[in-house]
Amino acid sequence: ELKVEQNPLFLSMQEGKNYTIYCNYSTTSDRLYWYRQDPGKSLESLFVLLSNGAVKQEGRLMASLDTKARLSTLHITAAVHDLSATYFCAVDIGTDKLIFGTGTRLQVFP
Amino acid sequence: DAGITQSPRHKVTETGTPVTLRCHQTENHRYMYWYRQDPGHGLRLIHYSYGVKDTDKGEVSDGYSVSRSKTEDFLLTLESATSSQTSVYFCAIRETGLTYGYTFGSGTRLTVV
Repeated sequence: ELKVEQNPLFLSMQEGKNYTIYCNYSTTSDRLYWYRQDPGKSLESLFVLLSNGAVKQEGRLMASLDTKARLSTLHITAAVHDLSATYFCAVDIGTDKLIFGTGTRLQVFP
Repeated sequence: DAGITQSPRHKVTETGTPVTLRCHQTENHRYMYWYRQDPGHGLRLIHYSYGVKDTDKGEVSDGYSVSRSKTEDFLLTLESATSSQTSVYFCAIRETGLTYGYTFGSGTRLTVV
């Protein structure tokens, strides 16, 4: 059974600082997704990572995938308040299903 | 926008009553999914469909059934609602192509009292 673990579960960080969210998964996969969710809203797709070594960047967010280590990271550079949200990773292992991590709630304060 | 509409957006129902949630899509996607979201659990897959009349169970399917009689509609039914089924329910579609992604509907907030 596929397990997807994220850490930390909660992250409070100061504006301007850098931090990384980790996503570990238990079964081989080369397809991983990152989503953002604002309170009371739906999930917004951030990144689709499709192969080992894939790296994608959008603004202050950068995601990477290491399929051998079964690890994806979401790196936040110089955080700003607008990045406050919950971030989810999700893994597709090719069985037509998408399995989510528990999410990381990010709060950015001045 | 994948043209996904969930209805209703909010519902309060009594324990023991049946409830049906609807997911409607306008772009003929083959794969559709129902998830529930609860604090501390992320999103958990309830059921999914890979075509008309083709469905399968997810991680937390007990107490739920689904039907897909048309490509565009995927219905989730709570046979006899319980308080433990109070949750936010999201429908999703899987896009086509080699670099497919998954797109989510706006969600249905269900409260069972």
